[in-house]
Amino acid sequence: AQTVTQSQPEMSVQEAETVTLSCTYDTSESDYYLFWYKQPPSRQMILVIRQEAYKQQNATENRFSVNFQKAAKSFSLKISDSQLGDAAMYFCAYRLLSGNTPLVFGKGTRLSVIA
Amino acid sequence: AAGVIQSPRHLIKEKRETATLKCYPIPRHDTVYWYQQGPGQDPQFLISFYEKMQSDKGSIPDRFSAQQFSDYHSELNMSSLELGDSALYFCASSATPFHGYTFGSGTRLTVV
Repeated sequence: AQTVTQSQPEMSVQEAETVTLSCTYDTSESDYYLFWYKQPPSRQMILVIRQEAYKQQNATENRFSVNFQKAAKSFSLKISDSQLGDAAMYFCAYRLLSGNTPLVFGKGTRLSVIA
Repeated sequence: AAGVIQSPRHLIKEKRETATLKCYPIPRHDTVYWYQQGPGQDPQFLISFYEKMQSDKGSIPDRFSAQQFSDYHSELNMSSLELGDSALYFCASSATPFHGYTFGSGTRLTVV
């Protein structure tokens, strides 16, 4: 079974600084997707960024970028120029490429942004 | 753009009562997923449907059942409610070929 591990239950960052959230996963598959979701206090689940495992290039979405290391099964999220609105719970998630399989989530990292 | 619609947004039930949660996926999305997120927990997969047939089953209690109807909306039926069922219940939908999930805003169930 696939598992997703987020080893940092809580992180904090100063406004305008950069923070990196860690995620590792375990799978025997070679084709899959990886995601970072943000869950603010409203508890809405918001997609931050997505990475296809067959793509070597790291995904980037504005201030958000990932460092995808397939051999190490590592998928970290870097948030640059942190803003107060970035404060939320961040979940790393995995999904097989094929079929209609569900997401497998990590336990999450609570990010605080200090003004 | 249309989103995943869940109803109700909030629901309060007493122990041993029943509850029905509804999910309306994005038009032309053929797969619906249900997740349960307890306080301070990560979302746990309950069950999914593809083209109105059960696709995958996760940690769904026997007291719960779900189905997807001809119009693709889905309902999660929960019976003999327990205090531990208090959680946020998310529905998400996706299309084939896969381009991503879209989550609804969730139904917050409180069992008292």
